[in-house]
Amino acid sequence: EVQLEESGGGLVQPGGSLRLSCAASGFTFSSYWMAWVRQAPGKGLEWVANIEQDGSEKYYVDSVKGRFTISRDNAKNSLYLQVNSLRVEDTAVYYCARESSGWYRFFNYWGQGTLVTVSS
Amino acid sequence: DIQMTQSPSTLSASVGDRVTITCRASQRISSWLAWYQQKPGKAPKFLIYKASSLQSGVPPRFSGSGSGTEFTLTISSLQPDDFATYYCQQYNSYPYTFGQGTKLEIK
Repeated sequence: EVQLEESGGGLVQPGGSLRLSCAASGFTFSSYWMAWVRQAPGKGLEWVANIEQDGSEKYYVDSVKGRFTISRDNAKNSLYLQVNSLRVEDTAVYYCARESSGWYRFFNYWGQGTLVTVSS
Repeated sequence: DIQMTQSPSTLSASVGDRVTITCRASQRISSWLAWYQQKPGKAPKFLIYKASSLQSGVPPRFSGSGSGTEFTLTISSLQPDDFATYYCQQYNSYPYTFGQGTKLEIK
């Protein structure tokens, strides 16, 4: 059974940093693209970033470029999101998601999310 | 960026009704469209990929159609468990984008 478990969220002041983690199990982690998707309170879903199987390719939504960094450790079956220079508008539940196989990929498994609150 | 627009934003319906949600893309995305269901406080659940392919385990009352720029999600006979928010998502190109969601409410 595929399982994704996020951690690392919390309350942080504007300008602060956090490192979000996602522990994966139940599948061969190193074989899949992985992604972070966020959802602001009461709002819709927003793709944040994704990373190729070996970490060599990474893509980001424009609003987080230069502030967020996605990474992975295949030996630890773990995905990370380093979030720096946080803004109030970054407040959201951050979901870890596994992408499907193939060239065109969707999100076929999701974690339960970790809440990041940016407030003074 | 490709903008995804869903309609309606809210839909009131009764158990047993047939309902259809529309998703329009601002550019052609072939059939690279997925649908997700989300209940309050829960993670999204993946339902349909490639516009019309049902994920294993998803009840056959759910169906998807469309290609290019216009897509639909249809639930043939609403069940109590189906009342939720539904999102479409294009995965044709970066950045991946979602529709704003359609909240399906009990009438």
